[in-house]
Amino acid sequence: QVQLVQSGAEVKKPGASVKVSCKASGYTFSNYGINWVRQAPGQGLEWLGWISAKNGNTKYAQKVQGRVTLTTDTSTGTASMELRSLRSDDSAVYYCARAFSSSWYLFDSWGQGTLVTVSS
Amino acid sequence: QAVVTQEPSLTVSPGGTVTLTCGSSTGAVTSGHYPYWFQQKPGQAPRTLIYDTNTKHSWTPARFSGSLLGGKAALTLSGAQPEDEAEYYCLLSYSGAPVLFGGGTKLTVL
Repeated sequence: QVQLVQSGAEVKKPGASVKVSCKASGYTFSNYGINWVRQAPGQGLEWLGWISAKNGNTKYAQKVQGRVTLTTDTSTGTASMELRSLRSDDSAVYYCARAFSSSWYLFDSWGQGTLVTVSS
Repeated sequence: QAVVTQEPSLTVSPGGTVTLTCGSSTGAVTSGHYPYWFQQKPGQAPRTLIYDTNTKHSWTPARFSGSLLGGKAALTLSGAQPEDEAEYYCLLSYSGAPVLFGGGTKLTVL
């Protein structure tokens, strides 16, 4: 079955960078894409961006554009999200979710989430 | 940027029916916004219930249905069960955004 397994929790200082990975299994990774979504403690969901594993096309949310980079490695079936210049309000659980290769639609399978804590 | 609005909280009796709505600050929600509905229980990742306004996944209980109602996207739960108590989020697609979530509705079954 389709499964997305994310990397473990991270603690970072303000101004640092964090990279969260999402390893896919149970399907042909390069035929799909990956969405990234985050959820601050006690808050709602926020879409961060989408990447196509087929051709590397990306779309980013305006709020994080310029600080976030999405990448994929088709040899390992892994997607990654790097967020730079971390601030305290970047503390959140970060999720990956499967998408189509041509656009963000789908969200049929989610990773378990990765807690990122930004604290001095 | 557009804002997607949901009721902050709703309560339904066991076996009862409730409708959650999802509105857009830019005007009426249409099928062109490709409305999605997600269910999230405490400590868990979200789970997609409805996509493209009214299409269910194989795992979506039959008691959930999606529609457009009065210029909003709607999620109707008919015959609420205790296990339906959760946070529900809608998602709308916009040409520029392109994806925005609503603030969520906390549904209590009581």
